[in-house]
This record gives sequence, C-alpha cells and structure tokens, in this order.
Amino acid sequence: EAQVTQNPRYLITVTGKKLTVTCSQNMNHEYMSWYRQDPGLGLRQIYYSMNVEVTDKGDVPEGYKVSRKEKRNFPLILESPSPNQTSLYFCASTPGGKSSTDTQYFGPGTRLTVL
Amino acid sequence: RKEVEQDPGPFNVPEGATVAFNCTYSNSASQSFFWYRQDCRKEPKLLMSVYSSGNEDGRFTAQLNRASQYISLLIRDSKLSDSATYLCVVTNTGGFKTIFGAGTRLFVKA
Repeated sequence: EAQVTQNPRYLITVTGKKLTVTCSQNMNHEYMSWYRQDPGLGLRQIYYSMNVEVTDKGDVPEGYKVSRKEKRNFPLILESPSPNQTSLYFCASTPGGKSSTDTQYFGPGTRLTVL
Repeated sequence: RKEVEQDPGPFNVPEGATVAFNCTYSNSASQSFFWYRQDCRKEPKLLMSVYSSGNEDGRFTAQLNRASQYISLLIRDSKLSDSATYLCVVTNTGGFKTIFGAGTRLFVKA
C-alpha cells in the first residue's frame, strides 16, 4: 500500500531532551516536507527536500533540523525541544521535485507535547 | 498580514445547501493553488487543484482569479459527509514552498 508513515504517533517529552520524528514514504517520491499545525495558524512549513541531500528552510525552521540521506526517509530532529514546539506535526511527499505540480500525500501526524 | 487568508467560519449549513469559501493570497508570484480537506486533526487530503479556467469535480467547483489574487470553492448540494475543515493552499518560490491558509470549518446539519 502506497503511504507515508510517521513515528512515533504520540510523544510526550521534557524540555531539552533530543528527539527524532521519522518519516518514510514507499512511493519513490522526490519531494518531502515537514509541517507543524497549531490552532488558528494552520499548517506551517518547517523544512522541505527536493531530493536526496537537498533540503531548504520553510517558514518556521528555527529549532529543527532535517536530513535526506535516502530518498524514502526524511527525519525531523529537535536537538533541544522547548514547550513552544508542542504541536501536531505532518510529513508529506509528492512525486515530482516540487510541491506545486502534484498532490501532496500526508502522513498520519505526530502529536508532540514538550513539558 | 498572513500570506494566505481564509474566513475561519464556522459555516453551519443544512443538508442540500450551497456554500462558498473564499481565500486570498498576497504573493502575486504564487504558482499553484489547491484546496485540501482535513477531518478533525487527521491528515489533509487533496480535494482539487485550482485553475484560472475553473475546475469542477462533481458537486465541487474551484476558481482562481489571478488579477484579484482570490481563490474560491463552491460546494453544491451539501452532504453530512462534507463536514470538515477546508484548507486553501498556495505554492511559492519556484513551486517548492507551500503556504496553507488557517482553514474554514464547515458543519453540515441534517
């Protein structure tokens, strides 16, 4: 089944404890992206990747890191999480190298709480 | 000012009603436009792409007005299952950056 998977789905952690949220797609998509969703603000793009080893900042990259060592995986790293990073996170992918020409397929979301 | 603005609603309509959502965007260089649907904190799913020539899919019609930087979505003959949040989406920066509106909530009642 074609899908985007994220792990973990739910995470409660404490300030400053490094964590990684994994994202994997089995559709051989080139473009992948991370978003956070907060009430009243909608989804905001954190980072995106046009292909392996090519990443760039979205609108809210502060406090996050990403890597794209293989086409299928695009992990989101929080080196020192803070309470303002408590949010619902979505990973997405599209077949082409851009988000403009194709449907974005979203993972199920990761609900992160930082205490 | 937000780059993509939508009326947050909620819109409460009876079954069978026609409802229209509006969205404006501020970057005149925006490339592509979409409407996504999101059910209660689940992942967004593409509803339809939006073109200047208009795009119709069954009960749904989307329209883009580049001169006014305005996007619309019309839902005819509303069903209970149409209850969701509708997200207006714009891509910029050569098609790599994606900007979401905050969404418009729709409740369709029997």
